[in-house]
Amino acid sequence: QVQLVQSGAEVKKPGASVKVSCKASGYTIINYDFNWVRQATGQGLEWMGWMNPDSKNAGFAQKFQGRVSMSMNTSTSTAYMELHSLRSEDTAVYYCTRAVRFQLLSDSWGQGTLVTVSS
Amino acid sequence: EFVLTQSPGTLSLSPGERATLSCRASQSVRYNYLAWYQQKPGQPPRLLIYGASIRPTGIPDRFSGSGSGTDFILTITRLEPEDFAVYYCHHYDGSPRTFGQGTKVEIK
Repeated sequence: QVQLVQSGAEVKKPGASVKVSCKASGYTIINYDFNWVRQATGQGLEWMGWMNPDSKNAGFAQKFQGRVSMSMNTSTSTAYMELHSLRSEDTAVYYCTRAVRFQLLSDSWGQGTLVTVSS
Repeated sequence: EFVLTQSPGTLSLSPGERATLSCRASQSVRYNYLAWYQQKPGQPPRLLIYGASIRPTGIPDRFSGSGSGTDFILTITRLEPEDFAVYYCHHYDGSPRTFGQGTKVEIK
């Protein structure tokens, strides 16, 4: 079955960077894209961007342009999302999802990674 | 900017009752690229409906989606205890992909 297993919780200081990993299994990795979505505590869902693990092409929501990067290690089927210049408002649970190619419909989700930004 | 507005914010119902959740888009949704997710506390969202009305394998048939253009509905015909959760609509076209703010279905 499809599984997306994310790295553990992180605590970071303002201005630092965080890198979250997402190990995929149970399907052919290069046939789907990845989305990254975040959710602040008690709040709604916010789409951050997508990445094609085959071409390594990526696209980001304008809000995160210049502050987010996404990468992929196809040999280990692991996707990464790195967010830079962290601020307190970035405190949230970050999810990776499997995304249907072109539509970017998220049909399976990782368990989430809590990132806390605090001085 | 593409905005999805869900109503009501909270729906208080009893098990066995019918739930009707609304999602209104600020612009017409192309190709019916409108999905619904269910989220329970401490869990990631689960895909319930995509293409406005298509249920993925394994989703019970008490969940149904309808609508087109700018107005979409998620209906739960008979609420089961496990259905009390937050529901989000999602437009998966354009950039950024957008989510509604959610409707909480709570036990009355």
